[in-house]
Amino acid sequence: AQTVTQSQPEMSVQEAETVTLSCTYDTSENNYYLFWYKQPPSRQMILVIRQEAYKQQNATENRFSVNFQKAAKSFSLKISDSQLGDTAMYFCAWRGRSGGSNYKLTFGKGTLLTVNP
Amino acid sequence: DTAVSQTPKYLVTQMGNDKSIKCEQNLGHDTMYWYKQDSKKFLKIMFSYNNKELIINETVPNRFSPKSPDKAHLNLHINSLELGDSAVYFCASSQGGQGRNEQFFGPGTRLTVL
Repeated sequence: AQTVTQSQPEMSVQEAETVTLSCTYDTSENNYYLFWYKQPPSRQMILVIRQEAYKQQNATENRFSVNFQKAAKSFSLKISDSQLGDTAMYFCAWRGRSGGSNYKLTFGKGTLLTVNP
Repeated sequence: DTAVSQTPKYLVTQMGNDKSIKCEQNLGHDTMYWYKQDSKKFLKIMFSYNNKELIINETVPNRFSPKSPDKAHLNLHINSLELGDSAVYFCASSQGGQGRNEQFFGPGTRLTVL
């Protein structure tokens, strides 16, 4: 079974600084997708960024970028120029491409990020 | 214009009662999901439906019965509620089972069982 591990339950960063959230996963599949979701205090789940495992290039979305290391099964999220609105719980998630694993997201336990003024 | 909506947003009820949560999406998606987020914020898949057919039932007690009357709706009925059912329940939708397709989440329903 696939597992996703986020080893940092909580992190904090000063406004305008850079922070990196860690995520590792375990899977025997070769093709899959990885996601970072953000859950602010409003409870809404918001997709931050996605990575396709067969693409070597790391995904970027404005201030958000990932460091995807397929061999190490590592998928970290870097947030640059942190803003107060980035304060949220961040979830790393894995999704397969077939065999039923494509019909669900497997989540890590989350990292609570606080951006301090 | 809400993409994925759930009703109610909050539900407080007594142990032993039966309750339903409704979910609707207006994105034209053919796949819908129910996730449970426990008190420690851990999110876990409960059910997945594709074109109204059950694809995944992730070892959920049979007190939970999802129903998909059409592709735009996936309701969750819970019988004989227990204290451990207290959680936030999220509905989500996506287009097909293509892994790269984003799952859009509803606002969640906070269920409290007393």
